[in-house]
Amino acid sequence: DAMVIQNPRYQVTQFGKPVTLSCSQTLNHNVMYWYQQKSSQAPKLLFHYYDKDFNNEADTPDNFQSRRPNTSFCFLDIRSPGLGDAAMYLCATSRGQGNNEKLFFGSGTQLSVL
Amino acid sequence: GDSVTQMEGPVTLSEEAFLTINCTYTATGYPSLFWYVQYPGEGLQLLLKATKADDKGSNKGFEATYRKETTSFHLEKGSVQVSDSAVYFCALILPLQGAQKLVFGQGTRLTINP
Repeated sequence: DAMVIQNPRYQVTQFGKPVTLSCSQTLNHNVMYWYQQKSSQAPKLLFHYYDKDFNNEADTPDNFQSRRPNTSFCFLDIRSPGLGDAAMYLCATSRGQGNNEKLFFGSGTQLSVL
Repeated sequence: GDSVTQMEGPVTLSEEAFLTINCTYTATGYPSLFWYVQYPGEGLQLLLKATKADDKGSNKGFEATYRKETTSFHLEKGSVQVSDSAVYFCALILPLQGAQKLVFGQGTRLTINP
């Protein structure tokens, strides 16, 4: 059974057109993360939520925003996508109770920008 | 800052060959170390981990030993299968506010031919 679910699997948007990616979890975990993975590169953390507390990475562009309306759902909003934002976006969760916890990843959303 | 370096890929082997994927890290202190695997079209899955020096993580025939003296965490498998074809990421974990941040290496694409 899928525990971290990302929709859609593939998303195509136009240059400058706002887009929202979705993530849901059935694990009741406190922490939800968004990672960006560009082609042939390592995943890079954009931001995370601990419960309702939002934590942005210092080098995450302002173009990227996130919302977490409840424990189960988290959204990634790209306000004005550029060609350089084409990537796989990975959502992950963890319990948030220790330093060596396992992160559970979704299957990702592959974003294309035309 | 803390970082992870993996051997350059891609790596192509024949079935039943011995596999080594090198990984070294730079870190303040002694973070936990991980290997994640990404199968085609899927998200990241935890393969194995080690939380302190000299620990050996193992799973599905893969092994890696946390070597403090050489700051390494090389992945090995004695006899690979076609189903092991995937991208492998070495990672270390850093604490965040109530959460953790995975810092990944650049990934090594492994292809196993029958």
